[in-house]
Amino acid sequence: GAGVSQSPSNKVTEKGKDVELRCDPISGHTALYWYRQSLGQGLEFLIYFQGNSAPDKSGLPSDRFSAERTGGSVSTLTIQRTQQEDSAVYLCASSSRGSRYGYTFGSGTRLTVV
Amino acid sequence: DQQVKQNSPSLSVQEGRISILNCDYTNSMFDYFLWYKKYPAEGPTFLISISSIKDKNEDGRFTVFLNKSAKHLSLHIVPSQPGDSAVYFCAASPPGNTGKLIFGQGTTLQVKP
Repeated sequence: GAGVSQSPSNKVTEKGKDVELRCDPISGHTALYWYRQSLGQGLEFLIYFQGNSAPDKSGLPSDRFSAERTGGSVSTLTIQRTQQEDSAVYLCASSSRGSRYGYTFGSGTRLTVV
Repeated sequence: DQQVKQNSPSLSVQEGRISILNCDYTNSMFDYFLWYKKYPAEGPTFLISISSIKDKNEDGRFTVFLNKSAKHLSLHIVPSQPGDSAVYFCAASPPGNTGKLIFGQGTTLQVKP
């Protein structure tokens, strides 16, 4: 596609439920990133996929968070047993040249845990 | 531990004047710095970057200055336009091109007509 597509754009879920957030990167981009932005905070790195290499999961805040990237394209971020502190905008980005040249971000998924 | 800090949450500037957005960092090993702009309900868009071996990079109305001794960078927008009103994030790249970026908290710029 022309840009990075994320779905859903908004998600309201009850505490304790599982959620899945989807990201369709720009076609041909080998790198895919997940960040989140909590209210009043900067963007917090979560996970990074590069080609067929093992993902860098160092930013995942707990074992309730996981992500996969199938076929080197679409990625799904899963949050199990959601908590209120998980409420944030989850942003996906992709790039073909690495972080130093800038990512292309999607519009994000606003997750609200009630 | 906030490695990249934007200490001014907001800035208001008159159209046509200069906007100066500031960013401080703590890790002297960062080797690239970037600025992103974000409009409401949209993802951040890449604006301009600078390598740690340079002290200035210019692209049209946007110039980024890097002062390594002070661990400080700034983004200058001249002249400012109402369409520049957005949240601006600075970001730093750890050495080794690991892929991740460390972002500041953002500064909301308002350019008044």
